Amino acid sequence: AQSVTQLGSHVSVSEGALVLLRCNYSSSVPPYLFWYVQYPNQGLQLLLKYTTGATLVKGINGFEAEFKKSETSFHLTKPSAHMSDAAEYFCAVSLSGGSNYKLTFGKGTLLTVNP
Amino acid sequence: KAGVTQTPRYLIKTRGQQVTLSCSPISGHRSVSWYQQTPGQGLQFLFEYFSETQRNKGNFPGRFSGRQFSNSRSEMNVSTLELGDSALYLCASSLEARGGRNTEAFFGQGTRLTVV
Repeated sequence: AQSVTQLGSHVSVSEGALVLLRCNYSSSVPPYLFWYVQYPNQGLQLLLKYTTGATLVKGINGFEAEFKKSETSFHLTKPSAHMSDAAEYFCAVSLSGGSNYKLTFGKGTLLTVNP
Repeated sequence: KAGVTQTPRYLIKTRGQQVTLSCSPISGHRSVSWYQQTPGQGLQFLFEYFSETQRNKGNFPGRFSGRQFSNSRSEMNVSTLELGDSALYLCASSLEARGGRNTEAFFGQGTRLTVV
């Protein structure tokens, strides 16, 4: 079984400040990890993913995340927030191996960017 | 390349009715998954279809069902609607990678279902 915990349902930053959204996971097997972003009344857009290999993953719009197995974490960061980053962010995990595909999502973190 | 298309975008139904939602995956993607998103429960997995077969199912009552056609298009059906079924229903398609592993899901814009 797998689960995802996102710390902080709401994060507020100033424009130009560091963005840090926290995600911890639980998985019985090596996980695949994802961050998705959702704008109001829209679907989910993939920001980045970790499957295997390099643990620091770079995504779109300047976001990156680091897989830390020892801490079971996959925190999302961006050095400088833009107003356009305001949205809800979801961390998700799926089990590697096997062909059955199921994503387990965290509860989401709403990011507010203040001018 | 066209993305995942869900129809309709918005739907209002009355308690007790049934509803069918449609999803057209990205061309070449044979795996289609459905998720329910509500403010209280967040994003929850409903089921996944691959080559017209349900491979995985979430913890939802039997009122929720789905199917997949030979062209990979999928439909989900909810019978005897309840107020609590009001939600955003998201469809995602995936490309089955070598070794049978799907590495990412592409989501549609969703169907907003309101039950009154």
